[in-house]
Amino acid sequence: EVQLLESGGGLVQPGGSLRLSCTVSGFIFRTSGMSWVRQAPGKGLEWVSAISASGNRTYYTDSVKGLFTISRDNSKNTMYLQMDSLRAEDTAIYYCAKNFVVGRSAIHRYYYMDVWGQGTTVTVSS
Amino acid sequence: IQLTQSPSSVSASVGDKVTIACRTSLNINNYLNWYQQKPGTPPKLLIYTTSNLQIGVPSRFSGSGSGTDFTLTISSLQAEDSATYYCQQTYSSLVTFGQGTKVEIK
Repeated sequence: EVQLLESGGGLVQPGGSLRLSCTVSGFIFRTSGMSWVRQAPGKGLEWVSAISASGNRTYYTDSVKGLFTISRDNSKNTMYLQMDSLRAEDTAIYYCAKNFVVGRSAIHRYYYMDVWGQGTTVTVSS
Repeated sequence: IQLTQSPSSVSASVGDKVTIACRTSLNINNYLNWYQQKPGTPPKLLIYTTSNLQIGVPSRFSGSGSGTDFTLTISSLQAEDSATYYCQQTYSSLVTFGQGTKVEIK
């Protein structure tokens, strides 16, 4: 069974840092791109970041570019999201998701998110 | 790429047909996915690449569309379909979601 388990969330003061982890099982991690998606309280889904299977390509939504860093360790079946300079608007449930590729261009993979973790809650507050 | 869903919410009876629209600001070449989310749970994939039903999803769910206009249809609404539905594009490397449509049962 494919499983994704997020950890590392918690309460942090504005300007602080957190590192989220997403540990997976049940599939060959090194062959799958992965994503982080967040959901602020009472709000909709917001894509945050994605990383290719090898880790050599990373993508970020504009609001976190330069503040968050996505990475992965394929030997540990784990993806990370390093979040620095956190702001109140970063308060959300953070989900990791597995990307399933359905098409490709020279520079991009088209995909859907077929498996999601249960999420980890990040609260930025003083 | 902006995604605009309509309506924002819909209330319908069991057995009704429900249609949710998703309009994109650019042609996304059918790389449009639909997710269902119930309170306190992660999103669940329903439809991928406009019209492909994910394994295990009931056949009352279907997707259609092309270019910039897409539709999710529930042919006969069931009580367990009460949820929020989101469209998503992955045509751009900067992935975006629609704002969501809440489906309630009358």
